[in-house]
Formats: sequence, structure tokens, C-alpha cells
Amino acid sequence: AQKVTQAQTEISVVEKEDVTLDCVYETRDTTYYLFWYKQPPSGELVFLIRRNSFDEQNEISGRYSWNFQKSTSSFNFTITASQVVDSAVYFCALSEAQGGGADGLTFGKGTHLIIQP
Amino acid sequence: GAVVSQHPSRVICKSGTSVKIECRSLDFQATTMFWYRQFPKQSLMLMATSNEGSKATYEQGVEKDKFLINHASLTLSTLTVTSAHPEDSSFYICSARDPGRGYGYTFGSGTRLTVV
Repeated sequence: AQKVTQAQTEISVVEKEDVTLDCVYETRDTTYYLFWYKQPPSGELVFLIRRNSFDEQNEISGRYSWNFQKSTSSFNFTITASQVVDSAVYFCALSEAQGGGADGLTFGKGTHLIIQP
Repeated sequence: GAVVSQHPSRVICKSGTSVKIECRSLDFQATTMFWYRQFPKQSLMLMATSNEGSKATYEQGVEKDKFLINHASLTLSTLTVTSAHPEDSSFYICSARDPGRGYGYTFGSGTRLTVV
């Protein structure tokens, strides 16, 4: 069975600091998808990134970057020069693809990120 | 981009009554939709997978007679919480897969259910 572990329950940093959110996953499938979502207090899930298991290229999008390492089953997320608006709960999630179709998502417990002004 | 509309956003109901939550894909046809539940300060847990025109597949521990899922069309899935109890109070959120976006999942805005 698949599992996603976000060991950091809560992180608090001062604005403009860099912060990395860790995500470790477990799956028996060779084909799978990894995701990061942001959940502000309103509750709505904001999609940040999707990565398939065959693409280990790291990705950068503005102040956000992701480091995918299959060797350690990790998919970490870094925010550079954090801002107060980045404060939210961040979820890492995994979807296994069976028979060409993807299943529902397995979420980690989430990391509550607090950016202090 | 793909949009999923979920309604209502908030609902308060009396214990013992039933509540229906709707999830609509507005600009694409969703053959598969997912329902999640999130308790306060906890993660999202997959409850069930609904496929258009067939019975929903429930995750272990989820009572299918209590959480009725209907996916009668390619743009609408409904979750009915029957005989609601205070312990059913939670945040329910749906998600749909957009075939046009590969394995992209689009989420609704969620429904906060309070049973009193």
C-alpha cells in the first residue's frame, strides 16, 4: 500500500527566509504521480505541481522549487525568500497508476507553514 | 482551465437528517470523481471513487450505506450523508480527473458540514 510521510508538522520562519518542506513516499508501483498542494485557511486546495515517476528533473517555478529523488523516495519542496502569503498547510500526495488509470490521492499529514513578518 | 464546482460550501443540519453535496465539472467530462473527508487539522482521506454509470468504490472503513454516492452523468457526482450524526461533521471535498489534462486532479472548493 502507498504511504506519504511529512514529518514536519509545523514550521515557523521569518519572512524572506528559505524553507524546505520534506516529503517521503512509499509505493510498490513503478508508475506513480507525486503532487504538492497548498491549503489556505479557506480550505480550498491549490495545485502546485505534479510529477510522474519517470521524470526526475528538478523544477523551479518562481520562488518555488522541487527536488525529486527516487533513490531516497523523496519529493521535497523549497520556498525561497518566503512571504507572509505563503502561510498555509502544504500537502504532499501520491497517486498510483494501475492499468493506465490513476487512483485517488494518498495525502501526507501536511505541514503547517507559518511565515512571520 | 478545468473547474469543479462544489455546492453547498457550508451546511448545518440536525442530527438524524440527510445532506446532499454536489460536485460538478463545469468545462470537462469527468468519468471518475473522488470524495475526500478532512477532519480539523488533519489530512485528507479518500472516502470513495465514483465512476460514471457504475457503483462507487469505497475505501476500507467507509460505510457505503451511510455515504451514498451517485455519479449519474459525466458532469455530476453527489455525496449524500444519510442519518447524519455530530461525528460526521467534517470538511468534504471532491475531485475530478480531467482526461484532457492527463492525470490532473481538479478539486472542488469543499463543503463544511456541521451536524448539531
